[in-house]
Amino acid sequence: AQSVTQLGSHVSVSEGALVLLRCNYSSSVPPYLFWYVQYPNQGLQLLLKYTSAATLVKGINGFEAEFKKSETSFHLTKPSAHMSDAAEYFCAVSVGYSGGSNYKLTFGKGTLLTVNP
Amino acid sequence: DAGVIQSPRHEVTEMGQEVTLRCKPISGHDYLFWYRQTMMRGLELLIYFNNNVPIDDSGMPEDRFSAKMPNASFSTLKIQPSEPRDSAVYFCASSFSQSYTGELFFGEGSRLTVL
Repeated sequence: AQSVTQLGSHVSVSEGALVLLRCNYSSSVPPYLFWYVQYPNQGLQLLLKYTSAATLVKGINGFEAEFKKSETSFHLTKPSAHMSDAAEYFCAVSVGYSGGSNYKLTFGKGTLLTVNP
Repeated sequence: DAGVIQSPRHEVTEMGQEVTLRCKPISGHDYLFWYRQTMMRGLELLIYFNNNVPIDDSGMPEDRFSAKMPNASFSTLKIQPSEPRDSAVYFCASSFSQSYTGELFFGEGSRLTVL
């Protein structure tokens, strides 16, 4: 079974500072990895995904994440935080549909990002 | 393209009343998921369907909760009778097995308040 651990339930940065949100995964087979973002009072939307094509994945709004198999990590970064980045971020893992009908996406508990002016 | 559509967006009801939440998945998607989100427990998977058939309902809290998917374009989550502890945001999500990765597309959610 796969699992995800997000380190830090709350991260606070200043506007213009580096954003680093940490995610470690556990999976017995090569995983697919995702970062979702949830703005207040909205649903989750996909930020970026790793599907084994490239280890450095670029997403929307200037975010990117690097898949590091040796560290079982998929940390999310953005060089310069903007006020509009304030949201909750969820890391998720799946093994795709190779598992047959018993498929599901497993989410981390989320990290709330606060951006200070 | 239309995304996942949920209704109602907000529901306020009194304890003991029946609540029905509705979801229309993205056309062509063959998986549908119901999640519940609370401050205390985060995002919880309640149940999911594949080709309209329930696959795993182990996350459904108790018998007061039931979910159906009568056809590929419609699903309901029903709570009867409702209790204050059911207050949460309920999300519906869908995915397409042919995409292989398992990416989920979420609706905007239904915020339920049980008084």
